[in-house]
Amino acid sequence: QKEVEQNSGPLSVPEGAIASLNCTYSDRGSQSFFWYRQYSGKSPELIMFIYSNGDKEDGRFTAQLNKASQYVSLLIRDSQPSDSATYLCAGEGGYQKVTFGIGTKLQVIP
Amino acid sequence: DTGVSQDPRHKITKRGQNVTFRCDPISEHNRLYWYRQTLGQGPEFLTYFQNEAQLEKSRLLSDRFSAERPKGSFSTLEIQRTEQGDSAMYLCASSFPDRVHEQYFGPGTRLTVT
Repeated sequence: QKEVEQNSGPLSVPEGAIASLNCTYSDRGSQSFFWYRQYSGKSPELIMFIYSNGDKEDGRFTAQLNKASQYVSLLIRDSQPSDSATYLCAGEGGYQKVTFGIGTKLQVIP
Repeated sequence: DTGVSQDPRHKITKRGQNVTFRCDPISEHNRLYWYRQTLGQGPEFLTYFQNEAQLEKSRLLSDRFSAERPKGSFSTLEIQRTEQGDSAMYLCASSFPDRVHEQYFGPGTRLTVT
C-alpha cells in the first residue's frame, strides 16, 4: 500500500465550477500535508500546506484535513483553464521525509 | 536566476555507463533533496541533505546510486552501471530546514538509458 493515495483522474470540470481533489494517507504519524501543482513538462510548485484539522483557505484554494479519517482534500473554486494541471498530494512523515502521491490530473473545460 | 538549477537538463546514455547530475540549490537553503519521477507517478524520494550531512536515504535506492554535497552548497547524484529502469526525471529541491513543506524544485534532469 502506498503511503499517499490519489486517484490519477483525469478529473474534468467546466470553467467556473468547483474542482474537488482528494487524497488519503496511511501513516498516522504524518503531521503536515501539502498540495503541489505540476504543469505538463514542468516541476512541481507548492500551492498550500496544512497541518491542523479543518479548513485552510488561500484565495480560490481551500485545503481540508481530517486526521481521524486520514483524508486530505483540495477545493479549487471558480476553476479556470489555467488550473489544468496535475495536483500532487504529499505528506511529511518520519525523518522529515516527504512522500508524494501519484497526482490527479485536472482538466478545466472552457 | 536565483532558483534551483540542475545540469544537465537532458542526458542520454547507454546501459552500463555511469552518469552524474548536478544540483545548485537556492543559496540560503541548507536542505537539499533528490527525487525521481517517472511518467504518471509523483516524485519519489531518494535522499536529502542538511548542509553537507546526508540525513536520510530511501531504502529503494540501490547501491548504484550515490549522492554527495561536499561543501554544503551544490550536490551531485551519481548512478553507476545504468539500467533502462533508471530512465526518469531526476528532480532536485531545496528548502529551509524548518520549512520542509516549502520545497522549491529545479527544472530536473531527464535521463534516458538506451
